[in-house]
Amino acid sequence: TQLLEQSPQFLSIQEGENLTVYCNSSSVFSSLQWYRQEPGEGPVLLVTVVTGGEVKKLKRLTFQFGDARKDSSLHITAAQPGDTGLYLCAGVDGGNNAGNMLTFGGGTRLMVKP
Amino acid sequence: DTEVTQTPKHLVMGMTNKKSLKCEQHMGHRAMYWYKQKAKKPPELMFVYSYEKLSINESVPSRFSPECPNSSLLNLHLHALQPEDSALYLCASSQVGIGGYEQYFGPGTRLTVT
Repeated sequence: TQLLEQSPQFLSIQEGENLTVYCNSSSVFSSLQWYRQEPGEGPVLLVTVVTGGEVKKLKRLTFQFGDARKDSSLHITAAQPGDTGLYLCAGVDGGNNAGNMLTFGGGTRLMVKP
Repeated sequence: DTEVTQTPKHLVMGMTNKKSLKCEQHMGHRAMYWYKQKAKKPPELMFVYSYEKLSINESVPSRFSPECPNSSLLNLHLHALQPEDSALYLCASSQVGIGGYEQYFGPGTRLTVT
């Protein structure tokens, strides 16, 4: 069974601060997806990283996939209250004709205070 | 268009009721998924349909009955549920095959069993 450990579980910061969320596994994933979820809503896909060592930027968010494709990080620069939400990482084990299974991390609940 | 729609948004049902949740996507995705999400937890996979056939059932109780009438629609029929089944039910879709295909989630149905 593949596991993804996500840390920290909860983060409360002031507006303007920087933060990093980590997603670690002992398993190799073919790709890794990051989602943000607001209360009562479904997860919204932020980015997919596929290649080991890959770095992707989405405005103030920077996503990195580890060289061995076992870990990933999300760095937010100058956090804003609109960044508040549950951040989920999800690893894909390669996929097949039965579907593309996601292994979810436990989630990081981020609160950015004005 | 990366939209997955779900109806209803909220549902309250008694333990003897029969109800259905509906999900629709028009992205041409041939894999569709049902997830259950409890508060402050990541989504838990329930069922996967691939090419309109049930490919994965994660040992879900028979009081949950999925159905995929065509490539765009996915239903979840509910009967004789228990209060502990109260949760956010999420539908998702993706392409099928070997690769890191992203899953796109709907907004969810908030189910309360009384």
